Amino acid sequence: AQKITQTQPGMFVQEKEAVTLDCTYDTSDPSYGLFWYKQPSSGEMIFLIYQGSYDQQNATEGRYSLNFQKARKSANLVISASQLGDSAMYFCAMREGIWNSGGYQKVTFGIGTKLQVIP
Amino acid sequence: DTAVSQTPKYLVTQMGNDKSIKCEQNLGHDTMYWYKQDSKKFLKIMFSYNNKELIINETVPNRFSPKSPDKAHLNLHINSLELGDSAVYFCASSQVVTDYGYTFGSGTRLTVV
Repeated sequence: AQKITQTQPGMFVQEKEAVTLDCTYDTSDPSYGLFWYKQPSSGEMIFLIYQGSYDQQNATEGRYSLNFQKARKSANLVISASQLGDSAMYFCAMREGIWNSGGYQKVTFGIGTKLQVIP
Repeated sequence: DTAVSQTPKYLVTQMGNDKSIKCEQNLGHDTMYWYKQDSKKFLKIMFSYNNKELIINETVPNRFSPKSPDKAHLNLHINSLELGDSAVYFCASSQVVTDYGYTFGSGTRLTVV
C-alpha cells in the first residue's frame, strides 16, 4: 500500500487565490510526522511545514497551513494568496519509525503535485 | 555558508564507469541520507547513516556503496554505471529527532550515456 498518496498530478491557481494540495497517508505507527516540501524548477528541495501526529493544532508557517485531519489520515497543504513564485512541485512526506539505540527514522515521499500559478 | 553541499552538481559519464558523489553538512546533524529522484520526480530513499552507522539500506543494487568517514560526510560510490542510474541524487541531513524534516543538498544530476 502507498504510504503517501497525492492524487493531483497538476493544479492551476490564479494569482492571489488560495489553493489546497491534497495528501493522504497510511501508517500504523502511533507517532509520526508529516511534512511538505517545495521543489521549484531550479531543483532544490525546500522544507515548508511540519505537523506532528500528536499536535492538537494545525501547523501554520506564513502563507502555508496544514489541514490535518487525523481520523481521515489527511494532511492537505493550503497556500493562501498564491504568488507566481509558488509555481513548483510540492511533495508531501511522512516520518515514521521508532528510535532505537542505532537511530531509525524513515521519511517517505509522495509522487508530488505540480502547481502552476497563473497571473 | 552552505548547510548541505553536494559535489558535483552535474555528472555525465559513460556506461560501465565508476563514479562518486560527495556530500558534506555543517549543521551538526547526526543523520544523513541519500535519496534518488527519478525522471518522474519520485523521491526514494536509498541509504541512511546515523553517526557513521548504516541504519537504512533500501533495496538498492550493491553497485551503490555509501561511505561515511565521519558524521558530517556521506559519500555515494557507484560502480559499473547503467543507463537506469540516470537520475538526480539528493543528499540530506537531519537531527536524530526532528520536527523540521530534512535539510537537502542541491542535488547531483547524473546522466549515464
